[in-house]
Amino acid sequence: QSVLTQPPSVSGAPGQRVTISCTGSSSNIGASYDVHWYQQLPGTAPKLLIYGNNNRPSGVPDRFSGSKSGTSASLAITGLQAEDEADYYCQSYDSSPSGAHVVFGGGTKLTVL
Amino acid sequence: EAQLVESGGGLVQPGGSLRLSCAASGFTVSSNHMRWVRQAPGKGLEWVSVLFSGGSSYYADSVKGRFSISRDISKNTLFLQMNSLRAGDTAVYYCAREDRFGGNLRGFDYWGQGTLVTVSS
Repeated sequence: QSVLTQPPSVSGAPGQRVTISCTGSSSNIGASYDVHWYQQLPGTAPKLLIYGNNNRPSGVPDRFSGSKSGTSASLAITGLQAEDEADYYCQSYDSSPSGAHVVFGGGTKLTVL
Repeated sequence: EAQLVESGGGLVQPGGSLRLSCAASGFTVSSNHMRWVRQAPGKGLEWVSVLFSGGSSYYADSVKGRFSISRDISKNTLFLQMNSLRAGDTAVYYCAREDRFGGNLRGFDYWGQGTLVTVSS
């Protein structure tokens, strides 16, 4: 059971827009910790896709965008392409007595129809 | 271009030990927050351990007391010593750099290719 909740799967046709939600609580996303998103293509290491809720690292297409509100965050992908088929993970931090620990969502598999 | 290369994975019996290495190039390990993240077969990502640039370290509850993170400044390498291994520790282990700018943490911007640890008799 992941601390951050993501839908197990989403799908969309080429050219469409899809969104992936990431729901947390008052001890993580709602505590004003930033949310980051990763894309993991089959058989490869995760790749940073969005950092600081809504910022794209150099080289990430502007088809990818992030947002955060309250205890949730979302990743939006517009103009869906076949190469976007991958697993997507959100990541934030959760308060604990020893400090803030990294937490991940359970991951969402994106299928391009 | 920054790069991380892991090594040291393999097959080990329950109760055994392994030491993973993560060699960095293009940046200095000791100046960065460095983390280990694992992924069990067919499962999601799980944070394992962190070694902050200042030297403090923390562990997930699932590995506390069994795993130890360290670094060798002269080799620019991060390590994960894993003892008392269990079947549940079977996973691909990734090392990653946590990007920072000012006081803001900006996610894990560099990842290694991963090394597979299999705990089985």
